[in-house]
Amino acid sequence: GENVEQHPSTLSVQEGDSAVIKCTYSDSASNYFPWYKQELGKRPQLIIDIRSNVGEKKDQRIAVTLNKTAKHFSLHITETQPEDSAVYFCAASRGNSGYSTLTFGKGTMLLVSP
Amino acid sequence: GAVVSQHPSWVICKSGTSVKIECRSLDFQATTMFWYRQFPKQSLMLMATSNEGSKATYEQGVEKDKFLINHASLTLSTLTVTSAHPEDSSFYICSARGTAQSSYNEQFFGPGTRLTVL
Repeated sequence: GENVEQHPSTLSVQEGDSAVIKCTYSDSASNYFPWYKQELGKRPQLIIDIRSNVGEKKDQRIAVTLNKTAKHFSLHITETQPEDSAVYFCAASRGNSGYSTLTFGKGTMLLVSP
Repeated sequence: GAVVSQHPSWVICKSGTSVKIECRSLDFQATTMFWYRQFPKQSLMLMATSNEGSKATYEQGVEKDKFLINHASLTLSTLTVTSAHPEDSSFYICSARGTAQSSYNEQFFGPGTRLTVL
């Protein structure tokens, strides 16, 4: 099955700095890579996703890059703000059958200090 | 769009009792629903996948007789924790995927249910 590794487990930055979280996956057939932000006690919120037919996607201060050859993808947050503080999860999924599942990384706790 | 609700948001029960958690897709038809368990400071662990009208597919290590899943309609799935014990205390989160998302695996998450078993 799929295995997703996520690094770092914690990341502390100063407000205004950039933050980068990296994930690797094992299943070369995976074709969908979402990133979720989860605040304490809340639901995971999809913040950006990328599909295997593109290498990069950007949405304002957030960007995701995908390297299919190396089987890794990264989340980039620029101009970080204290409200970006949360746990971020990457995930990977393959296929489009009714039983396609998401495999999550272990999460990165991002702390943005004012 | 793509709103998923869960009820209850939290529940406290005595050991040995059963607890039912509901997951509803409010504005789309969820052909597939997923149930996850999340322990403090840990990632989401998939428990089972259910397709409407079919039996749920459980992940390895998840007892199907203990965690009963029903997905009787395109907008409702239920998870029943039977004979709950303190070790079942966790944050249970459902997610749903509709036909519009089926080409990839975009899932929309419910707000979660905090279960505490005394």
